Amino acid sequence: AQSVTQPDIHITVSEGASLELRCNYSYGATPYLFWYVQSPGQGLQLLLKYFSGDTLVQGIKGFEAEFKRSQSSFNLRKPSVHWSDAAEYFCAVGGGSQGNLIFGKGTKLSVKP
Amino acid sequence: NAGVTQTPKFQVLKTGQSMTLQCAQDMNHEYMSWYRQDPGMGLRLIHYSVGAGITDQGEVPNGYNVSRSTTEDFPLRLLSAAPSQTSVYFCASSYAGSNTEAFFGQGTRLTVV
Repeated sequence: AQSVTQPDIHITVSEGASLELRCNYSYGATPYLFWYVQSPGQGLQLLLKYFSGDTLVQGIKGFEAEFKRSQSSFNLRKPSVHWSDAAEYFCAVGGGSQGNLIFGKGTKLSVKP
Repeated sequence: NAGVTQTPKFQVLKTGQSMTLQCAQDMNHEYMSWYRQDPGMGLRLIHYSVGAGITDQGEVPNGYNVSRSTTEDFPLRLLSAAPSQTSVYFCASSYAGSNTEAFFGQGTRLTVV
């Protein structure tokens, strides 16, 4: 069965520090992979997606993610975190027979001044 | 650009009451879905639709009904509300399922007392 694991429930980083949020997936075929961000009280916004091709994908707000098939991972990175990046981040996998997205449980990011 | 519009934003129900959460999209997307978000659980799929007149169950469908009479609208009905249905509900739409970006509404925060 398809599944997504985000091992870190909550991460705190200092402003200006680098960030890596982990995501591991379980999927039988080539997955479609997504990262979404949810600011407090808001809906989800797509940060980036991977379907095929270059395994390093660039997204909005300076985020990038790298697809590693051998590790079944799709980790999200940002070289320098801003206070406005404080939010909850969700990794998702798609591609099922009915086109549904499966979400991880999310990682909440706090940013220290 | 309206995108995906959910109403109401907040709702308090008494146990046993019924209500309908509205969702409308103006992007001519075929695929629409309803998720619930609970702390530590991520987003779980309730029901989805791949086009007008076609609906199917997701991971947590019990206690909810849906219909899809038009491409634009995908209402979610709670027939007899229970405290376990206290949650934040998100509607999403996409052009063609999980291999395209899903657009989310702002959410409906429902409390059942």
